[in-house]
Amino acid sequence: GAVVSQHPSRVICKSGTSVKIECRSLDFQATTMFWYRQFPKKSLMLMATSNEGSKATYEQGVEKDKFLINHASLTLSTLTVTSAHPEDSSFYICSALSAVMNTEAFFGQGTRLTVV
Amino acid sequence: GQQLNQSPQSMFIQEGEDVSMNCTSSSIFNTWLWYKQDPGEGPVLLIALYKAGELTSNGRLTAQFGITRKDSFLNISASIPSDVGIYFCAGYSNSGYALNFGKGTSLLVTP
Repeated sequence: GAVVSQHPSRVICKSGTSVKIECRSLDFQATTMFWYRQFPKKSLMLMATSNEGSKATYEQGVEKDKFLINHASLTLSTLTVTSAHPEDSSFYICSALSAVMNTEAFFGQGTRLTVV
Repeated sequence: GQQLNQSPQSMFIQEGEDVSMNCTSSSIFNTWLWYKQDPGEGPVLLIALYKAGELTSNGRLTAQFGITRKDSFLNISASIPSDVGIYFCAGYSNSGYALNFGKGTSLLVTP
């Protein structure tokens, strides 16, 4: 299957700082990438849909000014958690849809964010 | 997005047993996907289904796209300890292109 690389896998930051998470499709072009948040023992909650070259579409209840998404190229999307608070601590996962095989979404390995 | 109803929520079985889990939706789905997630990792695609009635295998895993297009099941035969993890169903409905996820089935396999 296609490879999606997410970086970093773990990050600890202080309250009030910002953290950037990268999602890269390594061997395919992804016109659409998705960002999810997952709480312990829970399912994946879609935060936003990111399309290359356009503004992200955020799900209801997700603050777009707090979770900044940039999809500047067909292989890279970034999620920046701004002014992080402890309640932002979570597991964040991205997925990418191949521009060719656009019904199978491939996931990154996830980023464990801890805000202290 | 809409939630899928996935059951059972958890299963605790012995090595060698067969496992079955299913997913239902209130609306018609065009695609059903089954993922497995290990702790601290992202989900990995196991099987993708595209047509109603389709039955697809991947090793000891078999999944089917329900005839009504509102359900799917995943079977694991002769389970082994490394099958432990959380299994998610996911699918695309007619109305959207974002994946909808089930709540997951947590599988524990004892040797």
